[in-house]
Amino acid sequence: ETGVTQTPRHLVMGMTNKKSLKCEQHLGHNAMYWYKQSAKKPLELMFVYSLEERVENNSVPSRFSPECPNSSHLFLHLHTLQPEDSALYLCASSHTTQLGTDTQYFGPGTRLTVL
Amino acid sequence: ILNVEQSPQSLHVQEGDSTNFTCSFPSSNFYALHWYRWETAKSPEALFVMTLNGDEKKKGRISATLNTKEGYSYLYIKGSQPEDSATYLCAPSTDSWGKLQFGAGTQVVVTP
Repeated sequence: ETGVTQTPRHLVMGMTNKKSLKCEQHLGHNAMYWYKQSAKKPLELMFVYSLEERVENNSVPSRFSPECPNSSHLFLHLHTLQPEDSALYLCASSHTTQLGTDTQYFGPGTRLTVL
Repeated sequence: ILNVEQSPQSLHVQEGDSTNFTCSFPSSNFYALHWYRWETAKSPEALFVMTLNGDEKKKGRISATLNTKEGYSYLYIKGSQPEDSATYLCAPSTDSWGKLQFGAGTQVVVTP
C-alpha cells in the first residue's frame, strides 16, 4: 500500500456506540492530522500530532479522542456521538519542518453517519 | 479563525476555455498558501505551496499567483479539459506546525 489509507471508508453508528477510525501513512512522515468536513462547510482541522505528540486540539469535544501510537498510525476514537457529528473525516500526514510550508497528503476519508 | 474566502463558489467552463478563480485571506501571520484539487470520491491532492509575495507556480495547464501584501491568490486553468473538473481548495497556513485554514472551495465543472 502507498500513500495514506483510512479504514473503514463508511461507518454507521448509533449514539451509544463506541467505534474507532484508523489512518495509516506509508510515506515516512512524522506528522499526522485529523480533519472534519460537515455538509456544505470547509474542511476543519481537529487534531495535529507531530513526532507522536499532540500539538493542536482545535476545541474538539471530548467525545472525539485521538491516539497516535507511532508515526505511521493515527486513530480517532468515537463515543456517544451526536447526529450532527455525521461528516467526512479525513486523515493527512506530512514531513514537518516547522516552517509552516509542509505539504499535507490526504487519505480518502471515512464517511460517518450517526443515527 | 481566519476568514478564507474563495470565489466564485462554482463555475461551469466549456472544454478548451481558460478560467481563473480567487482565494482571499488575511495577510497577517502568513506562512504559506496551499492549493489543493479534490475530485469526487478521491483524496484531496496538493497542487502548490506558495510562500513569497509575487510567487508564481505552474503545473501543466494549471498555474497560480500569490499576493501576500493584499492577501489573495489566483488559480488559472488554461485550455480546460473534462478531467480538470474538481473542487479547488486554498488554505493558508498560519503557524510553524502548518495548521491549514481551508476555504470552502471553487467547484469547477468542465463540459465537453
